[in-house]
Amino acid sequence: KQEVTQIPAALSVPEGENLVLNCSFTDSAIYNLQWFRQDPGKGLTSLLLIQSSQREQTSGRLNASLDKSSGRSTLYIAASQPGDSATYLCAVRPGTYKYIFGTGTRLKVLA
Amino acid sequence: EAGVAQSPRYKIIEKRQSVAFWCNPISGHATLYWYQQILGQGPKLLIQFQNNGVVDDSQLPKDRFSAERLKGVDSTLKIQPAKLEDSAVYLCASSLGAGPGDGYTFGSGTRLTVV
Repeated sequence: KQEVTQIPAALSVPEGENLVLNCSFTDSAIYNLQWFRQDPGKGLTSLLLIQSSQREQTSGRLNASLDKSSGRSTLYIAASQPGDSATYLCAVRPGTYKYIFGTGTRLKVLA
Repeated sequence: EAGVAQSPRYKIIEKRQSVAFWCNPISGHATLYWYQQILGQGPKLLIQFQNNGVVDDSQLPKDRFSAERLKGVDSTLKIQPAKLEDSAVYLCASSLGAGPGDGYTFGSGTRLTVV
């Protein structure tokens, strides 16, 4: 049974710092992996999708990497800003249609 | 491209009452999902539709929850009767297909409070 874990559960950093969010999954047989952002009381916004054949994806200040063999993905945020404060969720698609989600990392960037 | 539309945004009901949520996916997206997100947890899949048909409803509490997707477009999720533990955000998502490049697009969600 696929399980997704995100560490840390919460993170507070000063503005301008580079940071890494971690996601681990127990079954390496995944189809793709998607990182989402969730603002309080809102739905999920897709940030990056990495297909199983890819190693990383980049969008602006965000870079996501995937290492299937070790069951890990990282989301790197460069030069963090207060507007980056949100919960970041990692989700894996284990070959079927549905995604399995982690519990998220709650990020606070202090001005 | 219009996003996934959900309504209502918020709903407060008493336990044992019924409630319904509506979702309109992105045009052309064949697959539609309903997720339940309890505070502090990641979303959990309730039901998945492929066009009109149900692909996965293994985690749907069928004694009280029901869902339908008429004509392969809009979908409704109903809870009858509601329990206190149903308080959560109900998220609808859609995807174009099941290819490795196909991800989810989520709606804004409906926040349900059962008192």
